[in-house]
Amino acid sequence: GGIITQTPKFLIGQEGQKLTLKCQQNFNHDTMYWYRQDSGKGLRLIYYSITENDLQKGDLSEGYDASREKKSSFSLTVTSAQKNEMAVFLCASSAGFYAEQFFGPGTRLTVL
Amino acid sequence: GQQVQQSPASLVLQEGENAELQCNFSTSLNSMQWFYQRPGGSLVSLFYNPSGTKQSGRLTSTTVIKERRSSLHISSSQTTDSGTYLCAVASSSFSKLVFGQGTSLSVVP
Repeated sequence: GGIITQTPKFLIGQEGQKLTLKCQQNFNHDTMYWYRQDSGKGLRLIYYSITENDLQKGDLSEGYDASREKKSSFSLTVTSAQKNEMAVFLCASSAGFYAEQFFGPGTRLTVL
Repeated sequence: GQQVQQSPASLVLQEGENAELQCNFSTSLNSMQWFYQRPGGSLVSLFYNPSGTKQSGRLTSTTVIKERRSSLHISSSQTTDSGTYLCAVASSSFSKLVFGQGTSLSVVP
């Protein structure tokens, strides 16, 4: 087994601010993902990384940057926070692209 | 049209009743997962089941590839089963995991 940790649990920022969310996994998984879940809505893929040193854009990458620092960690940066981006950001990992995905507890973003 | 469709959208059960949740998808698949989410909570993987039947306790997942559908059966429901159940499908056509809109389940005493 393993665990995915996301920091911080709650993130509050000002409009226009650059904000960074962090994700760590100890599954030794190759592939990691960032999703955004808006209240009452489904999940949308922001970025994913198939292996260390790889970075792929998802459906919602505009306004975000991502960085796969090492195999176990994947960061997401909101480049200029907007009020309409208030949501829960979920990190996930899997052994391979079509393998079972495991999710972290999420970071809830509030923009003032 | 929607690539992954779940039904029903919501369901209310009396404790002890059974439920069958459906997930229909429009393409061939490489992976299929069922997740559970409490309000304000994260996603918990229930089943990774690209084909066939898997059981865990009171939960059973059956995926029939030819019919492009998967089901999640909950037997003897409990109030703690309340929450949202999501199915997700990945295929070479999608190039990502595509989530259904979920089934919101409420189990009342």
